[in-house]
Amino acid sequence: NAGVTQTPKFQVLKTGQSMTLQCAQDMNHEYMSWYRQDPGMGLRLIHYSVGAGITDQGEVPNGYNVSRSTTEDFPLRLLSAAPSQTSVYFCASSLATGTSYGYTFGSGTRLTVV
Amino acid sequence: ILNVEQSPQSLHVQEGDSTNFTCSFPSSNFYALHWYRWETAKSPEALFVMTLNGDEKKKGRISATLNTKEGYSYLYIKGSQPEDSATYLCAFILTGTYKYIFGTGTRLKVLA
Repeated sequence: NAGVTQTPKFQVLKTGQSMTLQCAQDMNHEYMSWYRQDPGMGLRLIHYSVGAGITDQGEVPNGYNVSRSTTEDFPLRLLSAAPSQTSVYFCASSLATGTSYGYTFGSGTRLTVV
Repeated sequence: ILNVEQSPQSLHVQEGDSTNFTCSFPSSNFYALHWYRWETAKSPEALFVMTLNGDEKKKGRISATLNTKEGYSYLYIKGSQPEDSATYLCAFILTGTYKYIFGTGTRLKVLA
């Protein structure tokens, strides 16, 4: 049982490049989400999914796309990287939303856009 | 835009001291509140999930209370130890949505 696996752990991109941050969980969790962590800003929700085929926007969705074709995987795509997207990205999953279950977080991806 | 506020931002206490901090959230349309502990270089770990007004949860020396009518939750640590040093986050969930909105956290440093 690996929990929530994020890859890569570190990435440097040039402005304008695109890339995909991978997130996979093996706990059969329905709910998955992506957060970014910036100094003084806490964790801000980018996108989330309540099940395969269902995604929705969070607080800061601009510049990011997601899809959820399987229960296990929830990749985050940066369409055209900008320096403002330099951040630490966390993927998290939960068996269900809200009442009984907390999140399980991945170990994070540190992204630098130059 | 939902505002979830935590205070204080940071806190230094001596080993053995008891301490508490606050999470404030919108009191209307409350669904659930979570507390997380986040150690440096690790990922956040869930401490408590709280749903009912008046809820009290406890795990060892850490406990939490919830007041949904006035929109706040307190986290208490009794007899702080250096290993309690971490950032403590709360996350608010609005009814009718699936969005967890996090506060900016309280950074606790326990001095030996």
